[in-house]
Amino acid sequence: NAGVTQTPKFRVLKTGQSMTLLCAQDMNHEYMYWYRQDPGMGLRLIHYSVGEGTTAKGEVPDGYNVSRLKKQNFLLGLESAAPSQTSVYFCASSEIADEQYFGPGTRLTVT
Amino acid sequence: SQQGEEDPQALSIQEGENATMNCSYKTSINNLQWYRQNSGRGLVHLILIRSNEREKHSGRLRVTLDTSKKSSSLLITASRAADTASYFCATDDNTGKLIFGQGTTLQVKP
Repeated sequence: NAGVTQTPKFRVLKTGQSMTLLCAQDMNHEYMYWYRQDPGMGLRLIHYSVGEGTTAKGEVPDGYNVSRLKKQNFLLGLESAAPSQTSVYFCASSEIADEQYFGPGTRLTVT
Repeated sequence: SQQGEEDPQALSIQEGENATMNCSYKTSINNLQWYRQNSGRGLVHLILIRSNEREKHSGRLRVTLDTSKKSSSLLITASRAADTASYFCATDDNTGKLIFGQGTTLQVKP
């Protein structure tokens, strides 16, 4: 049982480049989330999904897109990376109104 | 904007002492959760307390919830060096989302 996994673990992008972060969970959870964490800050919700084929905006959605084509996967895309998107990105999954299980994070640097 | 605000932002204690962290929030909640984050790692769920509960225990952890004051506290008893981490409260307003506070950084000195 791997729980929540994230790919890649580290990435360096140049301004304007694009990339996709992959999150996978093997717990059959309905809900999945993408957060970003900046130094000394708590987590801020970017986008989330309440089931396969659904997505919704969180607190800081601008500059990001997401897709949930399969229940176990939640993809986060950056179409044109900016230095302000340098952060650590965490994916999580849960059942409704229950504890969230977090992945190990992806450390992204945009130069 | 952040729903939860945590106090203190940083706490340093000796091993064996108790550590208390507080969390305040602004709107009605379905439940409140506490998470721990070790440096460079993902968050790990510690405990969940529902809005109709006032106190909950899990091992050395004790959580209280006062919905009239919109506040919660996390008590770690008999702290250990391994408890050194950041601790976050998060509130669930039954929309499927959690809103996290900025966290309390706890250092337990051996």
